[in-house]
Amino acid sequence: AQTVTQSQPEMSVQEAETVTLSCTYDTSENNYYLFWYKQPPSRQMILVIRQEAYKQQNATENRFSVNFQKAAKSFSLKISDSQLGDTAMYFCASSQGAQKLVFGQGTRLTINP
Amino acid sequence: NAGVTQTPKFQVLKTGQSMTLQCAQDMNHEYMSWYRQDPGMGLRLIHYSVGAGITDQGEVPNGYNVSRSTTEDFPLRLLSAAPSQTSVYFCASSYRLAGAKNIQYFGAGTRLSVL
Repeated sequence: AQTVTQSQPEMSVQEAETVTLSCTYDTSENNYYLFWYKQPPSRQMILVIRQEAYKQQNATENRFSVNFQKAAKSFSLKISDSQLGDTAMYFCASSQGAQKLVFGQGTRLTINP
Repeated sequence: NAGVTQTPKFQVLKTGQSMTLQCAQDMNHEYMSWYRQDPGMGLRLIHYSVGAGITDQGEVPNGYNVSRSTTEDFPLRLLSAAPSQTSVYFCASSYRLAGAKNIQYFGAGTRLSVL
């Protein structure tokens, strides 16, 4: 069975700073995907970034990037130039196929003005 | 585009009552799933479907039934609600094939309270 662990229940940074959220996972699969989802107070689950495990290159999406360490089963999210709108719960997740996502417990990120 | 639509947004039930949470998607996705989110936890998979007429259990299926008679709809039924089923429920859908389209789209959630 897949497991995903987020060891930081809460984090807080000042606006414009860079913050890194940690995630480790465990899987016996060779082909899998990793995701970071953002959940603002509206509860909507918003995909931030995804990584295909067979790709060595780290994924980037504007201010968001990941550090994917396959051997260490680590998948951290870096947010650069943080903005007030980045305040949310962030969930790391893994999947074997299209739909069976396994989520971590989440990290509550607060961006302070 | 409507995407994934869940109804209702909020519901309060008494213990023992039954109800159906509705989920509909207009993206012609083969896969649909139901998750529950409890306080301080991530989402956990309840049931999923790989296409019309095909369903399977996820991590926490007890107390819930599903069916998939059409590609668009995937309702979740609580036959006899219990306080332990108080949670936020999310429906999600995605394409079947892995690759660039292997992304799940989530509904806005249904907050359910069982008294």
